[in-house]
Amino acid sequence: DAMVIQNPRYQVTQFGKPVTLSCSQTLNHNVMYWYQQKSSQAPKLLFHYYDKDFNNEADTPDNFQSRRPNTSFCFLDIRSPGLGDAAMYLCATSYRSGARDEQFFGPGTRLTVL
Amino acid sequence: AQSVAQPEDQVNVAEGNPLTVKCTYSVSGNPYLFWYVQYPNRGLQFLLKYITGDNLVKGSYGFEAEFNKSQTSFHLKKPSALVSDSALYFCAVRDRGQAGTALIFGKGTTLSVSS
Repeated sequence: DAMVIQNPRYQVTQFGKPVTLSCSQTLNHNVMYWYQQKSSQAPKLLFHYYDKDFNNEADTPDNFQSRRPNTSFCFLDIRSPGLGDAAMYLCATSYRSGARDEQFFGPGTRLTVL
Repeated sequence: AQSVAQPEDQVNVAEGNPLTVKCTYSVSGNPYLFWYVQYPNRGLQFLLKYITGDNLVKGSYGFEAEFNKSQTSFHLKKPSALVSDSALYFCAVRDRGQAGTALIFGKGTTLSVSS
């Protein structure tokens, strides 16, 4: 089945220790997104790639970076995780970036910062 | 600015009864509207969307939603609830007149269906 895969499902890191979260997709979608979802809150878009074009949301902290080496993979790098970065990180894809296109989400990676 | 309101943190319903999860929105232009469901420790699953046309939209798992432009609402409904419908439901909006791709989510409503 075509899908969005996130690894790992659970990640524990130490305060200030860089961490990378991975997302891959078999849907061959052009657009990949990263959302942050804190407990009992709605998901919040951090950034997205349309093909190779990177689009950062205005209020995304500089501590968060992303890479998309090819169509299938996208990575979220947190350079110096703080306690406030503990959250569920959701990767999503869509075929196009048009407003009418629904997004397909992966299962998420739950990040714990000690 | 775009926004979505889900006025109820939790909705409780007995199995077999109809359910409604409320959503109202605010956009400067005409909206695209979406409903997603999230099960514990899982990502969001797309349920349905309103783009244009018939105000009653049918989606996955027997869910439907009614777009009401005058009331700026997009309530999620199901005629007969199942225990397995218990989950967190998010309404989301995009303004079709604006560039950008961010889905604006409501804060979510927890649906609890009792047997």
